[in-house]
Amino acid sequence: GQNIDQPTEMTATEGAIVQINCTYQTSGFNGLFWYQQHAGEAPTFLSYNVLDGLEEKGRFSSFLSRSKGYSYLLLKELQMKDSASYLCAVRDRDYKLSFGAGTTVTVRA
Amino acid sequence: GAVVSQHPSRVICKSGTSVKIECRSLDFQATTMFWYRQFPKQSLMLMATSNEGSKATYEQGVEKDKFLINHASLTLSTLTVTSAHPEDSSFYICSVGAGTGASPLHFGNGTRLTVT
Repeated sequence: GQNIDQPTEMTATEGAIVQINCTYQTSGFNGLFWYQQHAGEAPTFLSYNVLDGLEEKGRFSSFLSRSKGYSYLLLKELQMKDSASYLCAVRDRDYKLSFGAGTTVTVRA
Repeated sequence: GAVVSQHPSRVICKSGTSVKIECRSLDFQATTMFWYRQFPKQSLMLMATSNEGSKATYEQGVEKDKFLINHASLTLSTLTVTSAHPEDSSFYICSVGAGTGASPLHFGNGTRLTVT
């Protein structure tokens, strides 16, 4: 199976920056995704990386290093509505998507 | 607008009964749909890949006779939890996607199943 690790919880202040790390070991690699999931709801797509480097999308950026099996999601100018679980997901050689357990981010005023 | 419609959003049933969950692709024809299950504070776990016009592919440890999947058309896949037990209580989510390139999976809103 796949092995995807990310921290369980993180807390930050409104307006601050938070970086969520994700390390993975998978059978082949066909892209890494970040999703946001609010409690009781389905995940929503945030970003996609398949080549090394940084992808920026407004307040959210995602970085990938394939040689290190490492990615991070950077959330800038945090807002209260950003409080949610953030899921790192990796697509393997068979194009199956496996998810990490998620990082719960709590934004405090 | 929504790409995937999942119904029902919430269901409570008695132990031993069966429950059917529908997943519809609204914007495009999906030859493949995916069914996930998520227990509280845990990751989404892929249960099975639903293939239009053929048998579903189940992940290791998922009982195919208990979780029946039917994908009779390019826009509809159904998951039936047969003879449900309390341990089947979970959040079931379907998803569709092209599966390749930058196209992400689009998820339905999920079904919260509670078996009493």
